Amino acid sequence: GENVEQHPSTLSVQEGDSAVIKCTYSDSASNYFPWYKQELGKRPQLIIDIRSNVGEKKDQRIAVTLNKTAKHFSLHITETQPEDSAVYFCAASSGAGGTSYGKLTFGQGTILTVHP
Amino acid sequence: DGGITQSPKYLFRKEGQNVTLSCEQNLNHDAMYWYRQDPGQGLRLIYYSQIVNDFQKGDIAEGYSVSREKKESFPLTVTSAQKNPTAFYLCASSIKAGGFEVQYFGAGTRLSVL
Repeated sequence: GENVEQHPSTLSVQEGDSAVIKCTYSDSASNYFPWYKQELGKRPQLIIDIRSNVGEKKDQRIAVTLNKTAKHFSLHITETQPEDSAVYFCAASSGAGGTSYGKLTFGQGTILTVHP
Repeated sequence: DGGITQSPKYLFRKEGQNVTLSCEQNLNHDAMYWYRQDPGQGLRLIYYSQIVNDFQKGDIAEGYSVSREKKESFPLTVTSAQKNPTAFYLCASSIKAGGFEVQYFGAGTRLSVL
């Protein structure tokens, strides 16, 4: 089955700096890569996702890049703010064809702390 | 709350007891999922269901059971066979968007052993 490795496990940055979180996956059939943000005691919330037919996607201060050849994808947060502090999870899915649903396999999570 | 309701928020289990966690969604999503979250281990899939009256085991199904009698509901039972049930349990549901399913999560149930 799919295996997703996420690094680093903790990341501490100063406000205004950039933060980068990296994930690798094992299943070359994976074609959907979402990123979730989870604040303490709250539910994970989807912040951005990328499909295998795209190499990069950006949404304001957040961007995700995908290298299918190397089987890794990364989350980039620019101009970090204290409210970006949370646990971030990457995930990978082989998606699904037709009407079936795929399974998401999650990375172990990265605790991001943004210091004012 | 995104249309996915989990209850209770906190649950305590006595040794040898089965407990059931509720998950209800009013989003008309076909697929529903149960995850277990332990510190430092991310989210691990317990069971998932793509359609009513059908479900599949995930990566850590031992000691758990589910049912899917209605589209809106996907309860999880933590049985006495699950020897280490203390964790945060998250329910999710998904809908196809552009050929890919996007999962949305409930607020979670925190289960502890007395």
